[in-house]
Amino acid sequence: EVLLVESGGGLVQPGGSLRLSCAASGFTFSSYWMHWVRQAPGKGLVWVSRINSDGSSTTYADSVKGRFTISRDNAKNTLYLQMNSLRVEDTAVYYCASMGYCGGDCYLDYWGQGTLVTVSS
Amino acid sequence: DIQMTQSPSSLSASVGDRVTITCRASQGISNSLAWYQQKPGKAPKLLLYAASRLESGVPSRFSGSGSGTDYTLTINSLQPEDFATYYCQQYYNTPPLTFGGGTKVEIK
Repeated sequence: EVLLVESGGGLVQPGGSLRLSCAASGFTFSSYWMHWVRQAPGKGLVWVSRINSDGSSTTYADSVKGRFTISRDNAKNTLYLQMNSLRVEDTAVYYCASMGYCGGDCYLDYWGQGTLVTVSS
Repeated sequence: DIQMTQSPSSLSASVGDRVTITCRASQGISNSLAWYQQKPGKAPKLLLYAASRLESGVPSRFSGSGSGTDYTLTINSLQPEDFATYYCQQYYNTPPLTFGGGTKVEIK
């Protein structure tokens, strides 16, 4: 069974930092591209970032570029999102998701349960 | 960036009804479209990809169609467990992956 479990969310002040983790199991993590998607309270889904299978290629939404860094440790089957210079508007539930085996960006077939990040003074 | 517009934003329906949700892309996306279902407090769940391919384990009452810029999710014979919010997502031109604004299906 594929399982993605996020952790690391919490309350942080504006300008602060947080690192999210996503522990993967039940599939060959090192073979799959991974994404972070967020959802502000009561709002829709917004794509945040993507990393390819070996970590050599990453992409970001304009809203987080230069502030967030996606990375992975394939030996630990874990995906990360380092979030710096956090803003109130970054408040959201953050989901990690695995991508279908497509050879390029495509659909997201498995999702974690999400971790809530609240940015507030 | 490709913009995805869903309609309606919400609808009320009864068990057994046929429900149709539309997703329009700001440019052609060549069937590079996925549909997700999200229930309150839960993660999204993939229903269909490539516009019309049913994900494994998803009931056959869900179907997708469309081409070019216009796509449709149809739920035949709505069941109690289908009341949720549905999102479309394009992956034709990335980054970014872009989602529609969502359609909330409520009980009439």
